[in-house]
Amino acid sequence: GNSVTQMEGPVTLSEEAFLTINCTYTATGYPSLFWYVQYPGEGLQLLLKATKADDKGSNKGFEATYRKETTSFHLEKGSVQVSDSAVYFCALKNSGNTPLVFGKGTRLSVIA
Amino acid sequence: GAVVSQHPSRVICKSGTSVKIECRSLDFQATTMFWYRQFPKQSLMLMATSNEGSKATYEQGVEKDKFLINHASLTLSTLTVTSAHPEDSSFYICSAPPGAGGGDTQYFGPGTRLTVL
Repeated sequence: GNSVTQMEGPVTLSEEAFLTINCTYTATGYPSLFWYVQYPGEGLQLLLKATKADDKGSNKGFEATYRKETTSFHLEKGSVQVSDSAVYFCALKNSGNTPLVFGKGTRLSVIA
Repeated sequence: GAVVSQHPSRVICKSGTSVKIECRSLDFQATTMFWYRQFPKQSLMLMATSNEGSKATYEQGVEKDKFLINHASLTLSTLTVTSAHPEDSSFYICSAPPGAGGGDTQYFGPGTRLTVL
């Protein structure tokens, strides 16, 4: 079946540090891949997505590249800010009216 | 972008009572909606798929008689937690893909925090 594995958190970084959150997946077919972010006390928001191999999703300085050969979709940001503190979820979805399959989430804390 | 609302945002109830949570797509029609449950500091677990005009599909281990789902229209799905107990306390989130054909993007409601005393 489909599954998503994320690096365990929490991750604590200083402001302006480089961020990488690893995500690998197992899936049948050719899923779309997503990163969602959940800020404290709020619901999930789509951060970025990629729908096919070698696509790069990007938003708010975050990037992730769909790597089919390594079944990975690692999230990166060159310089994190305190406001990036949140929980980040990697997810995949097959085509059609199918649900998202989420990783366990990685809590990021950025300190000034 | 598309908006999904949930009501109520928070609810506290006594053990043994039933609680209804509404999920609405505000500016698009959704033939399918998904209900997730999130335990503290954990990921979202899919509970069921709500289908307009037909019975919901429940994930393994989810009691369909306890978590009643009704998708009465193309913009509304409801989740009723019947005879709630403290272990049902959780964060419940719905999502919907816009359009009858689905699509890659799903829009999430803000969630409902249920506390059962």
